[in-house]
Amino acid sequence: DAGVTQSPTHLIKTRGQQVTLRCSPISGHKSVSWYQQVLGQGPQFIFQYYEKEERGRGNFPDRFSARQFPNYSSELNVNALLLGDSALYLCASLFGPSTPYEQYFGPGTRLTVT
Amino acid sequence: AQTVTQSQPEMSVQEAETVTLSCTYDTSESDYYLFWYKQPPSRQMILVIRQEAYKQQNATENRFSVNFQKAAKSFSLKISDSQLGDAAMYFCAYSENFGNEKLTFGTGTRLTIIP
Repeated sequence: DAGVTQSPTHLIKTRGQQVTLRCSPISGHKSVSWYQQVLGQGPQFIFQYYEKEERGRGNFPDRFSARQFPNYSSELNVNALLLGDSALYLCASLFGPSTPYEQYFGPGTRLTVT
Repeated sequence: AQTVTQSQPEMSVQEAETVTLSCTYDTSESDYYLFWYKQPPSRQMILVIRQEAYKQQNATENRFSVNFQKAAKSFSLKISDSQLGDAAMYFCAYSENFGNEKLTFGTGTRLTIIP
């Protein structure tokens, strides 16, 4: 079975631009979470979606938004990019309430803002 | 808010030896989950081991085991017979029950294996 996939792998954007990152969860998984990992730090929670509804949001500005589609894939959008948005963006999926809440991570998208 | 603290930024161990990575956490919840994730240079975050707070028995997965001290809010990872492939960043993480599965991570410990 395919694991969590993310696209693109790398991305370079200019300050003020907008970016969309994509994630496909493991087949059968209904929940997707997004994390931001700045170099040298642990991942920080941005959003969680379950069954296409937002379940949780971390301490991030409104420039960050996300959505989940009927096939459970997800997009993370960041508007008005700042230099500080440069990071590895990780997507994680989990099945739902019947699992021991193990989250499986994708390989990440490396975003560089210049 | 829940916090996770890893006080060892870097650790090193001789190949085939045993190493223990430390983690403490703070929560007011009684039911939660603790995890150790490994992140090699490839960036893929890989689950190493999981511990449910309601279980007194420490989790083990082959060469990996944990020492879970609920009262002390301590959750250390022991790696036995260290191998070169164990070299990576190790993150301790916390989450709660269904409905709030967001992971709170520590700052990580970089583990180096000395041949």
